[in-house]
Amino acid sequence: DSGVTQTPKHLITATGQRVTLRCSPRSGDLSVYWYQQSLDQGLQFLIQYYNGEERAKGNILERFSAQQFPDLHSELNLSSLELGDSALYFCASSGSGGLSGYRTDTQYFGPGTRLTVL
Amino acid sequence: DQQVKQNSPSLSVQEGRISILNCDYTNSMFDYFLWYKKYPAEGPTFLISISSIKDKNEDGRFTVFLNKSAKHLSLHIVPSQPGDSAVYFCAASSAETTGNQFYFGTGTSLTVIP
Repeated sequence: DSGVTQTPKHLITATGQRVTLRCSPRSGDLSVYWYQQSLDQGLQFLIQYYNGEERAKGNILERFSAQQFPDLHSELNLSSLELGDSALYFCASSGSGGLSGYRTDTQYFGPGTRLTVL
Repeated sequence: DQQVKQNSPSLSVQEGRISILNCDYTNSMFDYFLWYKKYPAEGPTFLISISSIKDKNEDGRFTVFLNKSAKHLSLHIVPSQPGDSAVYFCAASSAETTGNQFYFGTGTSLTVIP
């Protein structure tokens, strides 16, 4: 158990709909990351938040957005869903985020949310 | 544009033998590399890492080798055990990025045969 929780575990929805995925980081972790894993693909980085602020952005579509709340949990919002958005969405968290060794903080992953768009 | 590549989707090894998983990268700004292991229905878990200032890092049965000139790293598992059967992802971190995102390969599914 990594200490990172994600809800829901599974989500089935229709094209054009909007969904929200939720992530609670490990206790004390300030950084939250979102990754997408499509079929036969590696994990693709979407976005990182550190202590409520956006830190880095990857290949995140404009239809997707995220935020990190004061209690440090994060939500990933996916709208105008398309068939190609079906994937596993992982959340990860990492520790202090201090300047020293910041980039090499181990990321701890949640179990993922499997999104199926029909 | 896949900057981290794992060209072997699967690998089968006998219990007790060595497992060697390979990973290639294209971005010369990558300076920190990791291996994650993933079981079905679970998230990836950190296994071992290596900084670009080293060429080898060992942790028990797991050793990672880095060849910077060839932009290649490998994970050796000796001896392999059935519980090592999982998908292994190679990942890298770039000195160019402001954040801490990792770039992942597509994974290699390792099966250790008892």
